[in-house]
Amino acid sequence: QAVVTQEPSLTVSPGGTVTLTCGSSTGAVTSGHYPYWFQQMPGQAPRTLIFDTTDKHSWTPARFSGSLLGGKAALTLSGAQPEDEAYYYCLLSYTGARPVFGGGTKLTVL
Amino acid sequence: QVQLVQSGAEVKKPGASVKLSCKAAGYTFNSYSMHWVRQAPGQGLEWMAIFNPSGVSTSYAQKFQGRVTMTRDTSTSTVYMELSSLRSEDTAVYYCARHNHMDVWGQGTTVTVSS
Repeated sequence: QAVVTQEPSLTVSPGGTVTLTCGSSTGAVTSGHYPYWFQQMPGQAPRTLIFDTTDKHSWTPARFSGSLLGGKAALTLSGAQPEDEAYYYCLLSYTGARPVFGGGTKLTVL
Repeated sequence: QVQLVQSGAEVKKPGASVKLSCKAAGYTFNSYSMHWVRQAPGQGLEWMAIFNPSGVSTSYAQKFQGRVTMTRDTSTSTVYMELSSLRSEDTAVYYCARHNHMDVWGQGTTVTVSS
């Protein structure tokens, strides 16, 4: 099974910009991996922010955006808010429709 | 209102089985497959399986093949996931999520495996 890697932790200042990345042990991440990004607050179920690399749900704040960057999937937060402090997980799909989650990034807004 | 409501917490002994439910409401049950995802205490998310209630087909993560059985009851719009041969490492919160870009998640079911 492929291994999906994320930064264990990142810190951003309020109002600042931060990029979280999601890499694959199999090589470059492409749109064919249909990258997803999830936000999870402590004690809550995950919430999907981004799907299919760049697409947003209706509830996804405009300050979040998805992309491909340097062979990885990326989630960029522009204008961080205190309420954005959370864990963020990516999910990549592989052949046979067996997706794999990354280990998660703990984002601190400080 | 589209929602997924999961069954209550379970405590099981090692070697036992557990059957969790995920009841769908607010949409046509057979129109969307269902993901199952789990999260061990203090750990990340782990994708387990996806179940198609209309075709009754399932795709599992390799580590769960042979231990997970998915079924459904169309009369109650409920998907069931049974996990057998439980061990302490199966202690986790189990979530179901609709396969519409994973737009709706259940509230999660805590399963504790302990002797």
